[in-house]
Amino acid sequence: GAGVSQSPSNKVTEKGKDVELRCDPISGHTALYWYRQSLGQGLEFLIYFQGNSAPDKSGLPSDRFSAERTGGSVSTLTIQRTQQEDSAVYLCASSGTSGIGDTQYFGPGTRLTVL
Amino acid sequence: GQNIDQPTEMTATEGAIVQINCTYQTSGFNGLFWYQQHAGEAPTFLSYNVLDGLEEKGRFSSFLSRSKGYSYLLLKELQMKDSASYLCAVRAFNNAGNMLTFGGGTRLMVKP
Repeated sequence: GAGVSQSPSNKVTEKGKDVELRCDPISGHTALYWYRQSLGQGLEFLIYFQGNSAPDKSGLPSDRFSAERTGGSVSTLTIQRTQQEDSAVYLCASSGTSGIGDTQYFGPGTRLTVL
Repeated sequence: GQNIDQPTEMTATEGAIVQINCTYQTSGFNGLFWYQQHAGEAPTFLSYNVLDGLEEKGRFSSFLSRSKGYSYLLLKELQMKDSASYLCAVRAFNNAGNMLTFGGGTRLMVKP
């Protein structure tokens, strides 16, 4: 597609449930990033995929969070046993390479609310 | 790690000029980005600096001083639609790929 797309746009869930968030990067982009933005806060890095390399998971806040990227394209972020503090906007971004000067383009985000 | 500071809020008048500052501490600096984010929307790319100096793009300009760990975003001829949050983000060689570390954002309110 023309831009990064994410689904769902909004997700309301009950505490303790699992959720899956999807990101479809810009076609041809090899790098994919997940960020989290809590209300009124800056963006917090979660995880990074580059091509077929093992992902960098250094930003994941707990082992309840995991992500996959199948076929080097679509990515799914899974949050198990959701907690109220997981409520945030989850943003996905993609870029063409990891070279200098490359720009990340963001999707519209998924607003997650944990009741 | 990185530490990035920018003012939380600023107010300016339509037609005026506003400067949003960003200071950072990092090792392995590899570029500074400015993004604009309207409420409820995704951040959109505005500018990129990796060398010292001023980058001009229409009404928006961005300046970088690596020795001072300082950048600013300059917005000229302010319009009401410029009301948004402006995010400063730093990339470093020791970060995962192009992973950006963001400041908390500056919420700019443009008044008539």
